[in-house]
Amino acid sequence: DGGITQSPKYLFRKEGQNVTLSCEQNLNHDAMYWYRQDPGQGLRLIYYSQIVNDFQKGDIAEGYSVSREKKESFPLTVTSAQKNPTAFYLCASSFSTDTQYFGPGTRLTVL
Amino acid sequence: LAKITQPISMDSYEGQEVNITCSHNNIATNDYITWYQQFPSQGPRFIIQGYKTKVTNEVASLFIPADRKSSTLSLPRVSLSDTAVYYCLLNNFNKFYFGSGTKLNVKP
Repeated sequence: DGGITQSPKYLFRKEGQNVTLSCEQNLNHDAMYWYRQDPGQGLRLIYYSQIVNDFQKGDIAEGYSVSREKKESFPLTVTSAQKNPTAFYLCASSFSTDTQYFGPGTRLTVL
Repeated sequence: LAKITQPISMDSYEGQEVNITCSHNNIATNDYITWYQQFPSQGPRFIIQGYKTKVTNEVASLFIPADRKSSTLSLPRVSLSDTAVYYCLLNNFNKFYFGSGTKLNVKP
């Protein structure tokens, strides 16, 4: 069953802790993306990667970090420097700059 | 920087055709237009993509006028299950811009 998986579905974090969100795809897509969505709002781009070992900042990269060591994986770390991390996080992937396909999302709550 | 405008919300009744328009006055020559559907607490789902004129698939049609400064997503005969938020996206190489979304409410 091909697609994009994100884990966990729900994540709770204490203030001051770093947390890593997983995103895996078996679609052989070159590009992968991370978005943040706040309640009732649209999607904002955090980071994207068009090739292994390379990634670029999006509109709201501060307080986040990523890595792209494998084509199929693009984990996102939410660091303690992110002041308002509670949000819905969405991962997507695509062939080059073609249509993006999204995962089911991870809802992060800071306690 | 592309500015994308969509209506915040729309109401419709089951069985009606719904047209949602996205305005993108600063669209670039190489920008494609893509529409997504999102249900609460789920990832957006691809609906349709186009560059110019008209594109049709099994679920929707996309109309793009010659100047490409707007695009209209057309959903034929909507049902209650089409109640969702619909996003317009411009994508071009390494640039992508999402609209703020249109909440469609389909009533019985």
